[in-house]
Amino acid sequence: RKEVEQDPGPFNVPEGATVAFNCTYSNSASQSFFWYRQDCRKEPKLLMSVYSSGNEDGRFTAQLNRASQYISLLIRDSKLSDSATYLCVVNRQNTGFQKLVFGTGTRLLVSP
Amino acid sequence: GAGVSQSPRYKVAKRGQDVALRCDPISGHVSLFWYQQALGQGPEFLTYFQNEAQLDKSGLPSDRFFAERPEGSVSTLKIQRTQQEDSAVYLCASSQGARGVQETQYFGPGTRLLVL
Repeated sequence: RKEVEQDPGPFNVPEGATVAFNCTYSNSASQSFFWYRQDCRKEPKLLMSVYSSGNEDGRFTAQLNRASQYISLLIRDSKLSDSATYLCVVNRQNTGFQKLVFGTGTRLLVSP
Repeated sequence: GAGVSQSPRYKVAKRGQDVALRCDPISGHVSLFWYQQALGQGPEFLTYFQNEAQLDKSGLPSDRFFAERPEGSVSTLKIQRTQQEDSAVYLCASSQGARGVQETQYFGPGTRLLVL
C-alpha cells in the first residue's frame, strides 16, 4: 500500500463546476500537508498548505482530518486554467527535515 | 529572481553509459533535494543535502546513484551504468531553511532521462 493514496482520475468537469479531490495517508507521524499542482511536462508547484482548521485561498479550499488521515481539496467555479494534475503531499517531519511524500496525483480536465 | 535551474533538460543515454545531471538551486538556499518521477507517478525522494552535507540518501535506488554538493550550492546527481528502469524525470528542489515544518520547496524544471 502506498503511503499517500489518491484517485488518479481523470476528473472531467465543465467550466464553472465544483470538484473535490480526496487523499489518504498511512503514516500517522506525518506532520504537515500540502497540495501541489503539476502542469503537463512541468515541475510541481505549491498550491497550498493544509491545516487542521481548514484553509481557503480564493476558489480553493483544503481540509485535513487527522483522525481519519484524510486530506481534501475543493475547487469552486472551475476554470480552463485549472486543468492540471493535483498532487497530495505529506511531510515526514520526524526525519528532522522536510521529507515530502507525494501521491500519484489526480488529473483534472476542465472543458468549455 | 532566478529559480531553480537544471541541466541538461533532456538526456538520451545508451544502456550502460554514465550520466551527470546538474542542479543550480536558488541562491542562498540551505536545503537541496533530488526526486525521481516516473511516468504517471508522483515524485519520489532520492536524497537531501543541508549545505554541503548529505544528510539522507535513503531514496537512492542503488549504488549506481551518487549525488554531491561539494560547496553547498550546485549539486550533481550521477548515475553510473544506466539501465532502462532509470528512465524518468529527475527533479531538483531547494528550500531556504533546514528544519521548517512549512518550508516551501521550489522545484526546477527537471531533466528528462531516457535510457535506450
